[in-house]
Amino acid sequence: AQSVTQLDSQVPVFEEAPVELRCNYSSSVSVYLFWYVQYPNQGLQLLLKYLSGSTLVKGINGFEAEFNKSQTSFHLRKPSVHISDTAEYFCAVSEEGGSEKLVFGKGTKLTVNP
Amino acid sequence: DGGITQSPKYLFRKEGQNVTLSCEQNLNHDAMYWYRQDPGQGLRLIYYSQIVNDFQKGDIAEGYSVSREKKESFPLTVTSAQKNPTAFYLCASSNLAIGNQPQHFGDGTRLSIL
Repeated sequence: AQSVTQLDSQVPVFEEAPVELRCNYSSSVSVYLFWYVQYPNQGLQLLLKYLSGSTLVKGINGFEAEFNKSQTSFHLRKPSVHISDTAEYFCAVSEEGGSEKLVFGKGTKLTVNP
Repeated sequence: DGGITQSPKYLFRKEGQNVTLSCEQNLNHDAMYWYRQDPGQGLRLIYYSQIVNDFQKGDIAEGYSVSREKKESFPLTVTSAQKNPTAFYLCASSNLAIGNQPQHFGDGTRLSIL
């Protein structure tokens, strides 16, 4: 069975600073990895996904993530955040060749301060 | 615009009452999912369905029931057996025909106990 650990429940940063949201996963098989963003009282929106190929994945809103198989990590980064990036971010994993169910981390609340 | 519609946005339940949450999609997706979200807990899978007239239990199915009579609809009933139903409920869908496609989410229903 897979599991996902988001190492920080809350991350406060100042506007225009860089940010990294950390995600580690555990699985006995190959996986697909996703980052979603959730604004208050809304559903989840896909930021980016890793299925195969290049380990550096670029997503929407200037975010990117790097898949590191040896460290079983998929950290999300942005070089310069905006106030509008304040939201909750979820890392998720699904099993390659599996039923396409997603297992989610508990989320990281990113707060961007002026 | 294609998407997932969840209704109502807010729902109140009396003790001992069953309530049904609606989820409709016009994306022609095969698979549909129901998640429960509690603060600090991430998303947990309740039920999922990959084809009409078939569905599978997720990690926390006790106290919930679903049906999948039409491809576009996947209603969730929260029964009186669910002792702690207060949560944010999210419906999602995905296109299995393409494979490993990300799940698309509705905007959620917030259920509270009166």
